[in-house]
Amino acid sequence: NAGVTQTPKFQVLKTGQSMTLQCAQDMNHNSMYWYRQDPGMGLRLIYYSASEGTTDKGEVPNGYNVSRLNKREFSLRLESAAPSQTSVYFCASSGGGTGVAYNEQFFGPGTRLTVL
Amino acid sequence: EDQVTQSPEALRLQEGESSSLNCSYTVSGLRGLFWYRQDPGKGPEFLFTLYSAGEEKEKERLKATLTKKESFLHITAPKPEDSATYLCAVHPAYAGNNRKLIWGLGTSLAVNP
Repeated sequence: NAGVTQTPKFQVLKTGQSMTLQCAQDMNHNSMYWYRQDPGMGLRLIYYSASEGTTDKGEVPNGYNVSRLNKREFSLRLESAAPSQTSVYFCASSGGGTGVAYNEQFFGPGTRLTVL
Repeated sequence: EDQVTQSPEALRLQEGESSSLNCSYTVSGLRGLFWYRQDPGKGPEFLFTLYSAGEEKEKERLKATLTKKESFLHITAPKPEDSATYLCAVHPAYAGNNRKLIWGLGTSLAVNP
């Protein structure tokens, strides 16, 4: 049981380049999330998917797009990378359902992205 | 404005020196409060969920408690391996089944041998 996996682990881009961050979970969770973490800013939600087939904006969605490919996979795309997108990106998943008990989010190891 | 504030920002303890980390929150109703541990270069690791005032949960040297305005993470006789950043997050009641959490900035704990 791998939990939440993310690829790549590290990436360096030049301004204007595009890339897709991949995330997969094997816990049969309904909900998936993309966060970025920056010093002094904490974890900020970029996009989330409450269930397969749905996506919604979080706190900082500008410059990003997402795709919920199936129940297991949730990808984050940077169409034209900017230095302000230099950050550590985390994917997370949670069980879904209607009860608070399903709220615990489980995180992947992160992708460290530098945009020059 | 809904927010979560953690204190102190950083804490240095000697091995065996017990202490507490604080997470205070201002939200319109609480559906759940979460504690996570984050090691350098890794993703946050889930520790506890607390749902209502008066609730307590324990795991090894950690005990989390909850009141109507704040939560404490008590660390008893810490060891160097407890060194990490501890994050607090809340799920406000108005969010309903939308699982968007409000995160604190964390407390960086260092335990010296």
